[in-house]
Amino acid sequence: DAGITQSPRHKVTETGTPVTLRCHQTENHRYMYWYRQDPGHGLRLIHYSYGVKDTDKGEVSDGYSVSRSKTEDFLLTLESATSSQTSVYFCAISEGTGELFFGEGSRLTVL
Amino acid sequence: AQSVTQLGSHVSVSEGALVLLRCNYSSSVPPYLFWYVQYPNQGLQLLLKYTTGATLVKGINGFEAEFKKSETSFHLTKPSAHMSDAAEYFCAVRPVRAGNMLTFGGGTRLMVKP
Repeated sequence: DAGITQSPRHKVTETGTPVTLRCHQTENHRYMYWYRQDPGHGLRLIHYSYGVKDTDKGEVSDGYSVSRSKTEDFLLTLESATSSQTSVYFCAISEGTGELFFGEGSRLTVL
Repeated sequence: AQSVTQLGSHVSVSEGALVLLRCNYSSSVPPYLFWYVQYPNQGLQLLLKYTTGATLVKGINGFEAEFKKSETSFHLTKPSAHMSDAAEYFCAVRPVRAGNMLTFGGGTRLMVKP
């Protein structure tokens, strides 16, 4: 199994609070991604990274920011959480072959 | 822009019956195509992929998919369903030359009845 760790795995927070989700990999893969999964929508790309300090927006990036200061870590931040950001968040990594390896997900509930 | 449509958000089959999960894509050029499976409370894992070459692709757990360019389809099949196949299945596409991002379909939940 690909070495991908997401933390926290579960979080409940209140509207307006900041939240940071962490993705840590031990595979030294170049590409890292944050997706959110919602019923009926499949997985939608939030942000991705193609190297240290190189990031770009996905299709649902509003309200989210990311940072990648080291190859192994990719952080997703919700500056001011809203109820619409209640979701399951998945980190994925890739070495550019097209195949993605996924973490186990982080379930976020915003009350 | 590419898009992926999975026909049927829920599919129910009996154990031992044929599994057919449908995936159609829209793209100006044939993309790379993937099927992923997600078991409850887990991340997604790759079942199979098509990049180039043979259009019939075999994956893990007895699944296979056929790329049909004329129909812009990549349907997933398994001759005989097993209870352990119950999961959610996602079709995904990636442009051949543009970046390394996958676009996912909405998913199909497969239920297997004893």
